[in-house]
Amino acid sequence: AAGVIQSPRHLIKEKRETATLKCYPIPRHDTVYWYQQGPGQDPQFLISFYEKMQSDKGSIPDRFSAQQFSDYHSELNMSSLELGDSALYFCASSVGVEGTEAFFGQGTRLTVV
Amino acid sequence: DAKTTQPTSMDCAEGRAANLPCNHSTISGNEYVYWYRQIHSQGPQYIIHGLKNNETNEMASLIITEDRKSSTLILPHATLRDTAVYYCIVRVAVFGNEKLTFGTGTRLTIIP
Repeated sequence: AAGVIQSPRHLIKEKRETATLKCYPIPRHDTVYWYQQGPGQDPQFLISFYEKMQSDKGSIPDRFSAQQFSDYHSELNMSSLELGDSALYFCASSVGVEGTEAFFGQGTRLTVV
Repeated sequence: DAKTTQPTSMDCAEGRAANLPCNHSTISGNEYVYWYRQIHSQGPQYIIHGLKNNETNEMASLIITEDRKSSTLILPHATLRDTAVYYCIVRVAVFGNEKLTFGTGTRLTIIP
């Protein structure tokens, strides 16, 4: 079965650079979620989109932005990268939100040097 | 979203049933109980979820108490590949508030 696809799987950037992470949801899934997981920490919710509209928002820094496109894929844009942005970034997708399960991708490991 | 309380860690012998408890005493009537697990740095894996009734799928069973203040995830025949951090999450899941909020979770270790 098709899963959530994230790209790239690994990314190395320097401080103050920008990074774009991509997420391709499971076909026919209309909701996308972004999570950040720092070393030794639990996944932290950043932002979500339903039918291309931002729907829920967590502790996402102002330096980060995201959107969901007409084909339902989503991109997380990160600017002015800091060393503390080094983390695993997970995307998940679901069909709608109520009572449904969300499936996660394998993540993008971002290293800021 | 209601908060959950889980044991920090648990061990279980291979081949035995692993029973993972979760307390969610402030759960609201429209909040679901979800279980996910994460195997070292992989994406969290959905296991099961329920609202009121007990649920079973190919991976596990979910037992929710009648007052819905606690639940138990049961892995019927644990294998070494079940070693992971297990997260119990309560989620109201309506537009504008659909996030899954991960707590500390239970680190389950399956012992050979």
